[in-house]
Amino acid sequence: EVQVLESGGGLVQPGGSLRLSCAASGFAFSSYAMTWVRQAPGKGLEWVSAIVGGGGNTYYADSVKGRFTISRDNSKNTLYLQMISLRAEDTAIYYCARFRGQPMTTRCIDYWGQGTLVTVSS
Amino acid sequence: QSVLTQPPSVSGAPGQRVTISCTGSSSNIGAGYDVHWYQQLPGTAPKVLIYDSNSRPSGVPDRFSGSKSGTSASLAISGLQAEDEADYYCQSYDSSLSGWVFGGGTKLTVL
Repeated sequence: EVQVLESGGGLVQPGGSLRLSCAASGFAFSSYAMTWVRQAPGKGLEWVSAIVGGGGNTYYADSVKGRFTISRDNSKNTLYLQMISLRAEDTAIYYCARFRGQPMTTRCIDYWGQGTLVTVSS
Repeated sequence: QSVLTQPPSVSGAPGQRVTISCTGSSSNIGAGYDVHWYQQLPGTAPKVLIYDSNSRPSGVPDRFSGSKSGTSASLAISGLQAEDEADYYCQSYDSSLSGWVFGGGTKLTVL
């Protein structure tokens, strides 16, 4: 059974940092591109970042470019999102999810975690 | 303002048919990128409902169908049931933004 499980969310002050982790199981992790999608309280879905299976190519939404870094450790079946210079508008549930296949640009996101809440507030 | 435009809300009585539109542009849907639809029940993670514009994952009832034409796509739900009450999002890829985009979401109310 495919599973992705996020961790690392919490309360952080503006300007602070946080690293999210996503443990994957039930599939050949290194063969799949992965992504982070967030949802601010009461708002819609916003794509944040994506990474190819091998980790060589990464992609970011303009709203987080230069502040967030996506990475993966295929030996540990784990996806990461390092977040720095956090702002109040980064407050959201962050979902780890898998692209259905290749190429990423045409594939849906077929498995989602339950999300981890990041709150940026003083 | 979302790159893909959806109506904020739609409603229908049990048994009726509703459609949700998703309007994009020449850099996303109009460029030939597939459209995917997600259903998000209250308090849960999104779940893929329609992929590649008109395909259903196993387990999704055939009451749900998708279509795409030009720079727009639609999700149709027939035989509305109370459990269909949820938020629905369309999603595609945008070549101008070099990233993935979602619609703003549509809240379906079953009257």
